[in-house]
Amino acid sequence: GAGVSQSPSNKVTEKGKDVELRCDPISGHTALYWYRQSLGQGLEFLIYFQGNSAPDKSGLPSDRFSAERTGGSVSTLTIQRTQQEDSAVYLCASSSESTLAVYSNQPQHFGDGTRLSIL
Amino acid sequence: AQSVSQHNHHVILSEAASLELGCNYSYGGTVNLFWYVQYPGQHLQLLLKYFSGDPLVKGIKGFEAEFIKSKFSFNLRKPSVQWSDTAEYFCAARPYSGAGSYQLTFGKGTKLSVIP
Repeated sequence: GAGVSQSPSNKVTEKGKDVELRCDPISGHTALYWYRQSLGQGLEFLIYFQGNSAPDKSGLPSDRFSAERTGGSVSTLTIQRTQQEDSAVYLCASSSESTLAVYSNQPQHFGDGTRLSIL
Repeated sequence: AQSVSQHNHHVILSEAASLELGCNYSYGGTVNLFWYVQYPGQHLQLLLKYFSGDPLVKGIKGFEAEFIKSKFSFNLRKPSVQWSDTAEYFCAARPYSGAGSYQLTFGKGTKLSVIP
């Protein structure tokens, strides 16, 4: 389809294990975001990629969290040594906003998310 | 730090009732404002957005929102709700420029239940 694709849709794992979540953005979108939605909370920004620029990692909650974006397209969010408080829905969004302007009025398009449960 | 507040956690309305969901943001500068909707089992979808110009913004499905700068508010309205409007609604904001220009700050969401 033409939307943002995330996999897996659900992931259940034991505390202490590492997990990888994948995001395939809309074709041609240079901007990619990861957000986290915990129970009873709003969406919390994690990390932002724009083209080949260094990512904005200011939202990552700890050094157990990391993300890559290879070839300017697919992104992988990795959580090492998972803890129960990592349980949440992880959402990916992409946008056609550009670095050519300080400000861009393009909205973000969201995927269905990955529901992560840590036992 | 920027924050977005949504006043109602859960709103229950009968069909044909009017809707107003409150949203306030804390950022003092120019902001872009959004309302997203998440229908049961679906992903977040953009309902409407405000960047500049007319503070009364029309969105999809008969929704509108009014930006009131003096009140730091961006309330969502619909004159007559339908059962199909049952969903969770998220208000979001981002600064116009400067560091962290692009990521959205979301409110905690308002769950709307419309009773047939």
